[in-house]
Amino acid sequence: KAGVTQTPRYLIKTRGQQVTLSCSPISGHRSVSWYQQTPGQGLQFLFEYFSETQRNKGNFPGRFSGRQFSNSRSEMNVSTLELGDSALYLCASSLGQMDWGSYNSPLHFGNGTRLTVT
Amino acid sequence: GIQVEQSPPDLILQEGANSTLRCNFSDSVNNLQWFHQNPWGQLINLFYIPSGTKQNGRLSATTVATERYSLLYISSSQTTDSGVYFCAVYGGSQGNLIFGKGTKLSVKP
Repeated sequence: KAGVTQTPRYLIKTRGQQVTLSCSPISGHRSVSWYQQTPGQGLQFLFEYFSETQRNKGNFPGRFSGRQFSNSRSEMNVSTLELGDSALYLCASSLGQMDWGSYNSPLHFGNGTRLTVT
Repeated sequence: GIQVEQSPPDLILQEGANSTLRCNFSDSVNNLQWFHQNPWGQLINLFYIPSGTKQNGRLSATTVATERYSLLYISSSQTTDSGVYFCAVYGGSQGNLIFGKGTKLSVKP
């Protein structure tokens, strides 16, 4: 079974531009969540999508948005890029939503997209 | 919100040694996972372990939910075990996984 696939692996953008990252979950997984990883802040939750609906959102400005398609693939968009947006962006998929209590929903991560904003 | 603390922050081992990594959390959780991030940035799920003990080869994990901690044991460490180990718990006002800052493990040959 193929793992979580993220594209592209690397991106270099300039301030003010926008960027779209893509994530294809493991087949059968309906939940996709996104995380930002930086040396200073560590791993921070961006948002989670389940059945094409955003279920939870982290504490990030509105420049960060996402969506999920009917095949569970997800995209994340960052508009008006800032230098501080440089980070490793990780996508993860799981069988169930993260708020299903004791439901066994281990997360499986993709290899990430490393975004550099200059 | 829930706080997750991992210790030690850094650990250097000689190949073949054993180690214990700890994760403390500040509130009741029903979802705790351990991950290994290799030097290339890939995060691998090691265990989903909200309570009890699990073993997978040289790795095992124990979570004592009532005392709010989890332990990850690595036995007979290998250089390929190097990387950062994260524990993450479900909770917080946003309903998401909250990650600790990680334990950076370096295994020397």
